[in-house]
Amino acid sequence: GAVVSQHPSRVICKSGTSVKIECRSLDFQATTMFWYRQFPKQSLMLMATSNEGSKATYEQGVEKDKFLINHASLTLSTLTVTSAHPEDSSFYICSATRTSGGAYEQFFGPGTRLTVL
Amino acid sequence: KNEVEQSPQNLTAQEGEFITINCSYSVGISALHWLQQHPGGGIVSLFMLSSGKKKHGRLIATINIQEKHSSLHITASHPRDSAVYICAAGLNDMRFGAGTRLTVKP
Repeated sequence: GAVVSQHPSRVICKSGTSVKIECRSLDFQATTMFWYRQFPKQSLMLMATSNEGSKATYEQGVEKDKFLINHASLTLSTLTVTSAHPEDSSFYICSATRTSGGAYEQFFGPGTRLTVL
Repeated sequence: KNEVEQSPQNLTAQEGEFITINCSYSVGISALHWLQQHPGGGIVSLFMLSSGKKKHGRLIATINIQEKHSSLHITASHPRDSAVYICAAGLNDMRFGAGTRLTVKP
């Protein structure tokens, strides 16, 4: 089956630094990639929608200058948390969509746990 | 009020029991997803539904578009089914329920 990977799986950084998270579709070209955030004991929240070669679409309340998304190819999207602060500590998950023969599928990455000290 | 409501929040069952998790949504949608999240955090997409019923192994998902309601059933539950089950409404703008934490005891 299709696989989506994320790197790193876990990162700890100091307040004020920037952190880049990669999301890759390993055996298919992803039409669209999504980024989600999950705080402890809460459900996922969609942060942004990323289409290859175009600017990401951010959900209301998500700062586009703080959460930079680059979708350089059909298999790679990156999320950079700039000037991270402790309140940015969260579980970040990406997903990638594949459309084939009219069928739509969405595959989730394993997530990246960010801890900002 | 959340756009996607799940019930119950927590569910404990004995191995072998039939389990039902419910999801109601208030938004118009083109699809509804059932996801499984294990303690490590990784998410697996179980089903995507736009109508009717789907079955995969011991898992069955149904949706009633008119009533804006979906159910996930697990037959002959097993301890390895213990996870958080999340209902998500929508296709490219998914809205997530709070999740149902299922514990199946041997």
